Amino acid sequence: DQQVKQNSPSLSVQEGRISILNCDYTNSMFDYFLWYKKYPAEGPTFLISISSIKDKNEDGRFTVFLNKSAKHLSLHIVPSQPGDSAVYFCAAHTGTASKLTFGTGTRLQVTL
Amino acid sequence: GAGVSQSPSNKVTEKGKDVELRCDPISGHTALYWYRQSLGQGLEFLIYFQGNSAPDKSGLPSDRFSAERTGGSVSTLTIQRTQQEDSAVYLCASSLEPGISSYEQYFGPGTRLTVT
Repeated sequence: DQQVKQNSPSLSVQEGRISILNCDYTNSMFDYFLWYKKYPAEGPTFLISISSIKDKNEDGRFTVFLNKSAKHLSLHIVPSQPGDSAVYFCAAHTGTASKLTFGTGTRLQVTL
Repeated sequence: GAGVSQSPSNKVTEKGKDVELRCDPISGHTALYWYRQSLGQGLEFLIYFQGNSAPDKSGLPSDRFSAERTGGSVSTLTIQRTQQEDSAVYLCASSLEPGISSYEQYFGPGTRLTVT
C-alpha cells in the first residue's frame, strides 16, 4: 500500500524555467512533509520541509505547497538550474511513528 | 562536521551467505534508521533506534534481518542467508530526537548489496 505517491517518474525542464514536482498521499495522519534530493551513488539530502499546519514554505529557489484537503503537495524550483538535475523524493511523517514514508521519486532533468 | 558514514560502499555476496553492513551516525544524534531502496522503488523503512528505547523493528522484511546499535552510536545491519531479492541499496540515517527540532534525517551514502 503506497501511502506516498509520486506519479511522475521523470520530468524534463529547461534551464531558467520552473520545475514542479508533485506528491500525493493517502494517510491523513501525516503531520510533516519533507523533500529530499538524491544524486547517483549518494544518500538523499534534505531540501525543504513543511508542517501540516502550514500551506507554504519557501527557501530561496525552493517552495513547497501543501493542500491538505486534496492530500497533495508540490515542490517548485524557480529558476531551475542544471545542478538541480537529480531524483527528488517526497517523504511524510506521522506523530505516532518516527520513520519517514517515502515516495518512489521523480527524476528531474534540467536541460540547457 | 562529519556526516553519516557507511561501510562497505559495495558488497557482492553469494546467495545463502551472511552479510554485515555498518553505519556510523552523526555524533550527538540519538536516533538511527535503516532503509533500503530496491531498483525503481522508494526508500523502504527497516528499523529505528532511539536512545535506550526498544528499537522499532516493524519494517524488517523477515527474521533473516536483524540490527543492533552498540553504545548508542554505531549500528550493524545483519542479513542472514541472503537471497537475490535482498539486492538493494541499504541506507542509514540519523537525526536528533524526532520532534525536538524537526523530523529531518541525515543520510549516509548507502551500501549497494548485490546477491548473486
